[in-house]
Amino acid sequence: ETGVTQTPRHLVMGMTNKKSLKCEQHLGHNAMYWYKQSAKKPLELMFVYSLEERVENNSVPSRFSPECPNSSHLFLHLHTLQPEDSALYLCASSQGTGSGEQYFGPGTRLTVT
Amino acid sequence: KQEVTQIPAALSVPEGENLVLNCSFTDSAIYNLQWFRQDPGKGLTSLLLIQSSQREQTSGRLNASLDKSSGRSTLYIAASQPGDSATYLCAVKGSGGSSGSARQLTFGSGTQLTVLP
Repeated sequence: ETGVTQTPRHLVMGMTNKKSLKCEQHLGHNAMYWYKQSAKKPLELMFVYSLEERVENNSVPSRFSPECPNSSHLFLHLHTLQPEDSALYLCASSQGTGSGEQYFGPGTRLTVT
Repeated sequence: KQEVTQIPAALSVPEGENLVLNCSFTDSAIYNLQWFRQDPGKGLTSLLLIQSSQREQTSGRLNASLDKSSGRSTLYIAASQPGDSATYLCAVKGSGGSSGSARQLTFGSGTQLTVLP
């Protein structure tokens, strides 16, 4: 595997379910990001991890819980989501959070029913 | 708060035409600007990154320019092809923030390009 991978690619879940999104980067980067892309809206940054520590949390509801066990893996744990949380969730990585170019994964298309 | 605007929202051109996509941003205190391509339902592919000290970057048929003082960037695509059809996103990384704080990427809503054969 190369670049940034995300699993699953598609997920349908009910509002009472608990699920997790997984991201893995094979680029040797030390920063990872979660973004949300809703229909007809710009990408919104959710969380940033640098050296496995969370450095940004953009007022994201607590029903989204990120986890970064090491610099190569990033998870987004989901519970009691709402239909408006349906979106494409994109993971990205970079070397540092300054000038480093961000590389994106293919995304997970989430539908909350 | 940084705001990024992309015009037009959608563009349809015949194959072979040269075209320009526009991006404007409200806060000129930027670290860099990045152009991405996104195919339907897919992730983002980075096309060009321009540091704040640079005026332009070129890659193949693509040329991106940056005028930081006026808050504008353009993406020029030469000799367009049907395979260029995609949504093109502009993103700006701010230069603000205290030590240890991440410099965030702020995205525009994109320009959806269709190149007709």
